[in-house]
Amino acid sequence: RKEVEQDPGPFNVPEGATVAFNCTYSNSASQSFFWYRQDCRKEPKLLMSVYSSGNEDGRFTAQLNRASQYISLLIRDSKLSDSATYLCVVNSDSNYQLIWGAGTKLIIKP
Amino acid sequence: EAEVAQSPRYKITEKSQAVAFWCDPISGHATLYWYRQILGQGPELLVQFQDESVVDDSQLPKDRFSAERLKGVDSTLKIQPAELGDSAMYLCASSRDRGYEQYFGPGTRLTVT
Repeated sequence: RKEVEQDPGPFNVPEGATVAFNCTYSNSASQSFFWYRQDCRKEPKLLMSVYSSGNEDGRFTAQLNRASQYISLLIRDSKLSDSATYLCVVNSDSNYQLIWGAGTKLIIKP
Repeated sequence: EAEVAQSPRYKITEKSQAVAFWCDPISGHATLYWYRQILGQGPELLVQFQDESVVDDSQLPKDRFSAERLKGVDSTLKIQPAELGDSAMYLCASSRDRGYEQYFGPGTRLTVT
């Protein structure tokens, strides 16, 4: 089992819809979690940090489920510009190592 | 807004040649990372520095790759000799300390011919 797993997608979603995807992690000692957004051939950009039970930033909501060891990202009222790959990153508290998922590709269609 | 600087942005080199990448992290960031990313995959950590010390280079192919951060500020990553399989995006990131949010530079896209 990979340490951090994501559904590669692509998720094809109509504009204006709500979409959610998950990221599962294997190390129960993980303490901090991040979502990054990456456009094609660009660098990853920090979207949200998820430190406790979750947080919200505009149309984006990230949640952490420690019992089932996954984090989720919810995008409401999706825009064409939300089309990108979304990468989750999990910090292993024991050695501060950051483990990256392979990403979920999201395509918003008009 | 402070940014991570990288150069060059693009590099084409022939196999067996040497190539070097440079990274200047956000001022005050203690931790610096070099990643390699192949299209369709997540970033793969090559080396992590805490100030001037290497704290993780377990995935760095040490027979051909080297990295340094002599004064604990900017860093260079070198490949010698380059191989066809080294073609990828090389990303540098920094964070204020280990385990915190990472901020990435624009990357260097390397093509080995």
